[in-house]
Amino acid sequence: AQSVTQPDIHITVSEGASLELRCNYSYGATPYLFWYVQSPGQGLQLLLKYFSGDTLVQGIKGFEAEFKRSQSSFNLRKPSVHWSDAAEYFCAVGARGGGADGLTFGKGTHLIIQP
Amino acid sequence: DTGVSQNPRHKITKRGQNVTFRCDPISEHNRLYWYRQTLGQGPEFLTYFQNEAQLEKSRLLSDRFSAERPKGSFSTLEIQRTEQGDSAMYLCASSLSRGPNDEKLFFGSGTQLSVL
Repeated sequence: AQSVTQPDIHITVSEGASLELRCNYSYGATPYLFWYVQSPGQGLQLLLKYFSGDTLVQGIKGFEAEFKRSQSSFNLRKPSVHWSDAAEYFCAVGARGGGADGLTFGKGTHLIIQP
Repeated sequence: DTGVSQNPRHKITKRGQNVTFRCDPISEHNRLYWYRQTLGQGPEFLTYFQNEAQLEKSRLLSDRFSAERPKGSFSTLEIQRTEQGDSAMYLCASSLSRGPNDEKLFFGSGTQLSVL
């Protein structure tokens, strides 16, 4: 069965500093990988996704993620965070068919931005 | 595009009562998903519809849960004989699937259920 591990429950970063959120997955075939962001009172929003091809994926809001098959990782990065980036971030792996059928999410990483 | 709409936003009920949630997807989206999210956890997949057909159900979806999408538009999720363990945020998402690598889920803000 597929699984996703986000080892950091909370991360605190100063505004303007760089960010990396870790994600490790377990999946038996080529994974479909996603990062979502959830702000209080808001629905989950897709930041980026990886299906195939270039292992460095660009997303919205200046985020990027790199797929590393050898490490079973799909870490999310941003060179300079803004206070509005404070939110809950979820990594997810898909089952098949574009990945959206039965996504398996990690437990999330809560990002805190210090002024 | 008015987004995915879920009603009600909050529902408080007593144990043993039945509850029903509604999800209005983005118009023309052919796929609709239900997820459940508890505090400190990521969303867990419950079920999904392709148009009006319910194509997949998670083991999490006990016999007390039933979902419908009668005309391939809005969907309802009913929980019968609610239990305290059903307390969670119930999320709905929709997508327009054009192919295996061209699907993007749009999530609603969810319905927060509290069972007393």
